[in-house]
Amino acid sequence: EAGVAQSPRYKIIEKRQSVAFWCNPISGHATLYWYQQILGQGPKLLIQFQNNGVVDDSQLPKDRFSAERLKGVDSTLKIQPAKLEDSAVYLCASSRASTGNTEAFFGQGTRLTVV
Amino acid sequence: AQTVTQSQPEMSVQEAETVTLSCTYDTSESDYYLFWYKQPPSRQMILVIRQEAYKQQNATENRFSVNFQKAAKSFSLKISDSQLGDAAMYFCAYRVYAGANSKLTFGKGITLSVRP
Repeated sequence: EAGVAQSPRYKIIEKRQSVAFWCNPISGHATLYWYQQILGQGPKLLIQFQNNGVVDDSQLPKDRFSAERLKGVDSTLKIQPAKLEDSAVYLCASSRASTGNTEAFFGQGTRLTVV
Repeated sequence: AQTVTQSQPEMSVQEAETVTLSCTYDTSESDYYLFWYKQPPSRQMILVIRQEAYKQQNATENRFSVNFQKAAKSFSLKISDSQLGDAAMYFCAYRVYAGANSKLTFGKGITLSVRP
């Protein structure tokens, strides 16, 4: 089966600009996650969707970050305006469900550099 | 809140030798799952092995096995017969068993290098 697709792979923007990332999960996966991975650290969950509803966005900086999942399939993550500290890899993952031992499959991520 | 701690930032192993990566976690839950993920330079996270907390038997997947000590809240990964392709970052992760929307929480990771 096709994996989780993300685009773009790389993005360089100036601070205060806007940027958007796109994710297409594995077909049939109800749960979609966006993680932020700062260099040298583990992934931090930004937002988790169950179908097209948000179930956890407690660590999403809502003053500048937004995310949506259209029709419970594709998702976009937006940053507006970007700050230097937003430089990181943004990982999208999906799973059939969000319970217990369900495996989460990851995309290759988008490396964002804010200058 | 659940936390996952990986205190070793880097490890190195000789090809064909065995290496153990450490992980500890903190939780008040009794039922949960633990995972080890591998992240090569391509950045794509790949599941290596998983362990159910209610199982006493340690999980094994080919050259990869875990040492799960529930009372000590310790979950280490042993890689036997290390190969050059094992070089990557390894992340320990935790997810509570109950609830439809449980969060997958990661540690900071450890960089494993394999010497030829």
